[in-house]
Amino acid sequence: DGGITQSPKYLFRKEGQNVTLSCEQNLNHDAMYWYRQDPGQGLRLIYYSQIVNDFQKGDIAEGYSVSREKKESFPLTVTSAQKNPTAFYLCASSISGYPETQYFGPGTRLLVL
Amino acid sequence: AQSVTQLDSHVSVSEGTPVLLRCNYSSSYSPSLFWYVQHPNKGLQLLLKYTSAATLVKGINGFEAEFKKSETSFHLTKPSAHMSDAAEYFCVVFRTTSGTYKYIFGTGTRLKVLA
Repeated sequence: DGGITQSPKYLFRKEGQNVTLSCEQNLNHDAMYWYRQDPGQGLRLIYYSQIVNDFQKGDIAEGYSVSREKKESFPLTVTSAQKNPTAFYLCASSISGYPETQYFGPGTRLLVL
Repeated sequence: AQSVTQLDSHVSVSEGTPVLLRCNYSSSYSPSLFWYVQHPNKGLQLLLKYTSAATLVKGINGFEAEFKKSETSFHLTKPSAHMSDAAEYFCVVFRTTSGTYKYIFGTGTRLKVLA
């Protein structure tokens, strides 16, 4: 079955720690996205990538970093510079460059210890 | 710049009654618009999309939306609510700027279905 997987489902971060959220897709999509979801604020774009080895900052990139070394993978690192990381993180993919459907993963909930 | 406004943060309906979730958009040209649904602690699923074809768009699970340019609206409707429709719904506009593009999400409408 084609789709997007995210792991882990829950992630706990200690003060000063970097953590990495995994996102993998087997849809052969060029574009991938990371969103942050907070209650009452909808989804906000953190980073997106239209093609391998290239990515752009979204609206709230500070305190986050990404890489896109393989078409199917787009990991997100939440660094210690992100002072309020508690949120639900969603990864998505789509065919690049057109108003196409985005396919979403099941999400990772990040909590701070 | 393109954006969307979801006019209600919460909507409650009784099972079997019609559903109306409102979305207004702003765009300098004909937009591409989407509605997504999210059940608790899950990812989002596409309900329907409008990309300059027919103005009445039919989606999954009996939902439909009508693109009205004169009113800059793209409201989501369903004739008869089911308990399983209880979820959060997002209106989304596709925005292009200088060769890059983004999907802009509304703040969501939480639908409650009463038995």
